[in-house]
Amino acid sequence: KQEVTQIPAALSVPEGENLVLNCSFTDSAIYNLQWFRQDPGKGLTSLLLIQSSQREQTSGRLNASLDKSSGRSTLYIAASQPGDSATYLCAVEDDYKLSFGAGTTVTVRA
Amino acid sequence: KAGVTQTPRYLIKTRGQQVTLSCSPISGHRSVSWYQQTPGQGLQFLFEYFSETQRNKGNFPGRFSGRQFSNSRSEMNVSTLELGDSALYLCASSPATGDETQYFGPGTRLLVL
Repeated sequence: KQEVTQIPAALSVPEGENLVLNCSFTDSAIYNLQWFRQDPGKGLTSLLLIQSSQREQTSGRLNASLDKSSGRSTLYIAASQPGDSATYLCAVEDDYKLSFGAGTTVTVRA
Repeated sequence: KAGVTQTPRYLIKTRGQQVTLSCSPISGHRSVSWYQQTPGQGLQFLFEYFSETQRNKGNFPGRFSGRQFSNSRSEMNVSTLELGDSALYLCASSPATGDETQYFGPGTRLLVL
């Protein structure tokens, strides 16, 4: 059974600081890995998807890396802003289903 | 394109009742998945449908069922509701054509009293 772990569970940083969010998974036989953002009481917004054959993906201030052999992914958010405050979820896809981590709740202080 | 829509957005039921939730995927998307989100268990996979066929099912009791229609719209049904079924139910759709990005709807919040 796939287990996905996210560290840290919560993070509070001043505006402008770079964010580093970690995700690990136990079974490397994944199809892809996806990072999501969730605002309180809302649905999930897809941020980045990394195919299993890829090492990283970038979108604006976001960069995600994937090391499938070691079962790890890292999401970097450059120059954080108060609007980045949310819960960030990592999910790995296999056999048409996503297995999610518990998330990292980020607070960016103005 | 319109996003994934879910109806109703909020629902209050009592134990023993049944409920049906609806999901309309993004136009052209053929895969629809359902997830349950609770504070204690986080996000858990319920089932996935593609072209009206269930391709995978999560570890939930038989009270949870779903289906997909020919227009890709999907419904999930929970019978004999229990207090523990209170949750945010999220639907996601995907093109399933090589791009497997999952696009989630706003969810249906179900409260069982």
